[in-house]
Amino acid sequence: AQSVAQPEDQVNVAEGNPLTVKCTYSVSGNPYLFWYVQYPNRGLQFLLKYITGDNLVKGSYGFEAEFNKSQTSFHLKKPSALVSDSALYFCAVRDRGNFNKFYFGSGTKLNVKP
Amino acid sequence: EPEVTQTPSHQVTQMGQEVILRCVPISNHLYFYWYRQILGQKVEFLVSFYNNEISEKSEIFDDQFSVERPDGSNFTLKIRSTKLEDSAMYFCASSALAATDTQYFGPGTRLTVL
Repeated sequence: AQSVAQPEDQVNVAEGNPLTVKCTYSVSGNPYLFWYVQYPNRGLQFLLKYITGDNLVKGSYGFEAEFNKSQTSFHLKKPSALVSDSALYFCAVRDRGNFNKFYFGSGTKLNVKP
Repeated sequence: EPEVTQTPSHQVTQMGQEVILRCVPISNHLYFYWYRQILGQKVEFLVSFYNNEISEKSEIFDDQFSVERPDGSNFTLKIRSTKLEDSAMYFCASSALAATDTQYFGPGTRLTVL
């Protein structure tokens, strides 16, 4: 069965430090992978996606993610965190054989402290 | 930048009543989706819609649910007889294409069933 795991409910990091939000997936075949961010009382905003090609994907607001096929991971990273990055982050995967739906992780709350 | 919009932002209803949640997808998009997020839980796929028909639905999307695109702009989710467990945030999403394309999400409608 398709699934996405975000093992950390919460990540705390100081402003200016690098951040990592972890995501692992389990799908049949090769997946399409996405990261979304949710600010309070807002919908999910697209950050970046991996479809094919270079394993390092760059997205909005200075975020990037690395696709690691052997570890079935797609961790979200940023070299220098901002307080304004504090939000809920969702990893999502889409099966190439069934593109109709996303499978979402449970979300990770990122807290960036000044 | 074009956005997916949803109305109302919050809907309160009595158990057994019918509700209609409305969405206006991005204008040149062809694929439409509904997801829900029960408080504290992950985002769950409900249904996808293309070419005026349902292309896929989850086990959550039972006979109490229906979707419609009544005109060229709106996309609605109807729950015929609401139950307490239908209380959740409902997100509409749209995408231009299917397989590799990003889904863009609306801000959500919070449904509270009393």
